[in-house]
Amino acid sequence: SQQGEEDPQALSIQEGENATMNCSYKTSINNLQWYRQNSGRGLVHLILIRSNEREKHSGRLRVTLDTSKKSSSLLITASRAADTASYFCAPAGFQKLVFGTGTRLLVSP
Amino acid sequence: SAVISQKPSRDICQRGTSLTIQCQVDSQVTMMFWYRQQPGQSLTLIATANQGSEATYESGFVIDKFPISRPNLTFSTLTVSNMSPEDSSIYLCSVDDTPSGYTFGSGTRLTVV
Repeated sequence: SQQGEEDPQALSIQEGENATMNCSYKTSINNLQWYRQNSGRGLVHLILIRSNEREKHSGRLRVTLDTSKKSSSLLITASRAADTASYFCAPAGFQKLVFGTGTRLLVSP
Repeated sequence: SAVISQKPSRDICQRGTSLTIQCQVDSQVTMMFWYRQQPGQSLTLIATANQGSEATYESGFVIDKFPISRPNLTFSTLTVSNMSPEDSSIYLCSVDDTPSGYTFGSGTRLTVV
């Protein structure tokens, strides 16, 4: 299916450390998006990487995409306690967005 | 990017009743999407709402249980019908704001007792 599978399901790190989350998917995509969700509320869009791009940066975020392996990674550098949230990848196909299983990130002070 | 107003933000409902959730967008959009997020789970797409035509439902979701209205290009409603405790979830609407990704409403936290 189009849904992404994320790894790890949960990640616990200290402030200042880097956090890496991985996403794998099975079908062809137009782009892949990453979202953050705090405490079960609405989702916030973080970054979109198109299928013809390999890497993209936004502030402390770095996203990679390998369409040959159907995988993507999200790196958060120099993490902060405020980065504590659930992170979802969303492989975007034709006219709809399907979400991955999510990674729960806990950043401790 | 688009701004979505979603109501209600939360509700506690009796089993067997129905709840209608509203989403108002500040710009005209062709498609609106409705998602469900069960406790501790990821988001699952319920249906895509198109103005002027029937909504398109994903596998496992039916119109009798989740009727959707889309009277114009800025508004949509999702009704959760004949509710049971298994319907307790967060329901979210969204629109495609590409290249800025999807924009989401703040969600409706539904508890069925």
